[in-house]
Amino acid sequence: EDKVVQSPLSLVVHEGDTVTLNCSYEVTNFRSLLWYKQEKKAPTFLFMLTSSGIEKKSGRLSSILDKKELFSILNITATQTGDSAIYLCAQHSGAGSYQLTFGKGTKLSVIP
Amino acid sequence: NAGVTQTPKFQVLKTGQSMTLQCAQDMNHEYMSWYRQDPGMGLRLIHYSVGAGITDQGEVPNGYNVSRSTTEDFPLRLLSAAPSQTSVYFCASRARDSSYNSPLHFGNGTRLTVT
Repeated sequence: EDKVVQSPLSLVVHEGDTVTLNCSYEVTNFRSLLWYKQEKKAPTFLFMLTSSGIEKKSGRLSSILDKKELFSILNITATQTGDSAIYLCAQHSGAGSYQLTFGKGTKLSVIP
Repeated sequence: NAGVTQTPKFQVLKTGQSMTLQCAQDMNHEYMSWYRQDPGMGLRLIHYSVGAGITDQGEVPNGYNVSRSTTEDFPLRLLSAAPSQTSVYFCASRARDSSYNSPLHFGNGTRLTVT
């Protein structure tokens, strides 16, 4: 059973639309939840969330964590073709060493 | 500032061959790790290291070896390549941070095909 579940797995929108990507996770030894954007090569870091209800924002992207319902959302407003990518959600859990468990990702395609 | 550098970018192997995927970082990061990314599977942890001389297994370690003789380098060895190891491999590192607030930084990946 997957520990980190992202939905939808793929999404096609038009430029200017607003999108919401979802990520649910397990509570066991939860430390933080991270969002990454992956275009053609390396995943690049977007947000790290540790506290419930506190929105993190960067330009048109924002994210929030709900530790009661065990999920996070990533919002992108006024989408652009450059937002086309795979968005990865990852949970950091457990004591001791740092290990991330990734979801399968959401492939976002923004068409003109 | 190079960050995390992986070589080669592409590699084709025949079943049974061995090879080493190289990873180097110039950020003095203590933690380094290897992930593989397969379609529909997300990123899965192969091996990781919390410092020179220390390595441990991740979720999918079978068929791979690692060593960490220096802080900068963390090579991944395929002992006897199999078609199931066809994948994109990512090396990632992060700074030592007891509060775990430092995110992972990824290299650009090595695309490996085993025929």
